Amino acid sequence: EVQLVESGGGLVQPGGSLRLSCTASGFNFSNYWMTWVRQAPGKGLEWVANIDEDGSDKYYVDSVKGRFTISRDNAKRSLYLQLKSLRAEDTAVYYCVRGLDPWGQGTLVTVSS
Amino acid sequence: EIVLTQSPGTLSLSPGESATLSCRASQSVSSDYLAWYQQKPGQAPRLLIYGASSRATGIPDRFSGSGSGTDFTLTISRLEPEDFAVYYCQQYGSLQDTFGGGTKLEIK
Repeated sequence: EVQLVESGGGLVQPGGSLRLSCTASGFNFSNYWMTWVRQAPGKGLEWVANIDEDGSDKYYVDSVKGRFTISRDNAKRSLYLQLKSLRAEDTAVYYCVRGLDPWGQGTLVTVSS
Repeated sequence: EIVLTQSPGTLSLSPGESATLSCRASQSVSSDYLAWYQQKPGQAPRLLIYGASSRATGIPDRFSGSGSGTDFTLTISRLEPEDFAVYYCQQYGSLQDTFGGGTKLEIK
């Protein structure tokens, strides 16, 4: 069974940092583009970033460029999202996605003082 | 950035009826790389359609996608109670993916 499990979310103060992780199982992780998508409370979906199979190509939504970094470790079957200079508007559930599907259950990031 | 506009914002229908959801792009979507998702409260989105018209694995044939270029449609025929949810379109043909704002399908 294909499974994606996110972790690392929590409460952080504005300006702080956090590292999200996504551990994959049930498929050959190194063969897939991976994506982070977020959803603010009560709002729609927002694509955040994606990374190609070997980590050489990375793309970001403009609102997070220079603050967030996507990376992966194929040996550990893991995807990461480093969040820095966090703002209140970054508060959201962050989902890890294999390509278009499936999605993990998400991890909540709350930015508040 | 390609902006996706979904309409209507809310659609009220009864079980057994058909639903037509629209997704319009601000510029042509490359290779019709357009997907549709269903999301229920407290759950992650589920992929329904990819490539504008291909059903994902396990999706009933009452869900169908059509369109090309800038205009896309998700049609749900014979609505079942479990179909009432929020639906999102996504384009993945450019360097930055984008989602539409969503259509809420509610029971009338």
